[in-house]
Amino acid sequence: EVQLVESGGGLVKPGGSLRLSCAASGFTFNSSTMNWVRQAPGKGLEWLSSISSSSTYIYYADSVKGRFTISRDNAKKSLYLQMNSLRVEDTAVYYCVRVDDFWSNYPLYWGQGTLVTVSS
Amino acid sequence: AIQMTQSPSSLSASVGDRVTITCRASQGIRNDLGWYQQKPGKAPKLLIYSASSLQSGVPSRFSGSGSGTDFTLTVSSLHPEDFATYYCLQNYNYPRTFGQGTKVEIK
Repeated sequence: EVQLVESGGGLVKPGGSLRLSCAASGFTFNSSTMNWVRQAPGKGLEWLSSISSSSTYIYYADSVKGRFTISRDNAKKSLYLQMNSLRVEDTAVYYCVRVDDFWSNYPLYWGQGTLVTVSS
Repeated sequence: AIQMTQSPSSLSASVGDRVTITCRASQGIRNDLGWYQQKPGKAPKLLIYSASSLQSGVPSRFSGSGSGTDFTLTVSSLHPEDFATYYCLQNYNYPRTFGQGTKVEIK
C-alpha cells in the first residue's frame, strides 16, 4: 500500500523558515516523480513543485520560486520542501504527492497533509 | 503559466441529476487535463486523466471530454457521495495549474 506521511508543519513567523518532510513507503520511491501541492484554508489547490526520480528535473510555481526548494533522498525514501522567507499567504495544508509515472503520468497518491501557519 | 478557468464555481443539484462542469485553458493543452474530486478534510482523488480516461476504481457515471482549450466533466446521475468540490489540472507543461474549483452542493 502506498503511504505518504508529511511532517514538519507548524506555526512560524513571517520571514521565517520551515522544512517539510514526506516519508514514503509501499512503492519504488527512487523511480517516482514527486510533487508538493498546497491548499490555503477554504481555498483551492495550488501546485507548488515537482522533482523527477533522480532529481534531474525540478520545477516550481512562480509564487514560490526563489523561496522554496524541493529535494529528495532516495536512500531514505524521503521528499523535502525547504521553505524560506515565509509569508502570511503561505499558510496552507501542504500535500506530498506521488505521480503515477507508469500509467497516467498524473498526480495520483496524496499524503494526509501537514498544516503550515505563518503568523506573527 | 497556463490559466485554468472552471465554471460554475458552485452549483446546487439533486441526487439523480446530470451535472456538467467545464474547464477552459488559456492556451491549447492537447488532452493533458485531469479532474479531481475533493471532500472536506480529505486529500483530492483523481477521477479522470488525459481528458477522458477513467481512473481505475472510479464509477462509470463520471466521464470527461474535450481537447485543446475546452473540457468538461460530467456526472451522469449524482449519488449522495458525489457532493464534493471538483478541480481540473493541466498536465501539459510546468508549472502545473489547477482550476479554482467547482463545489457541488445538495439542492
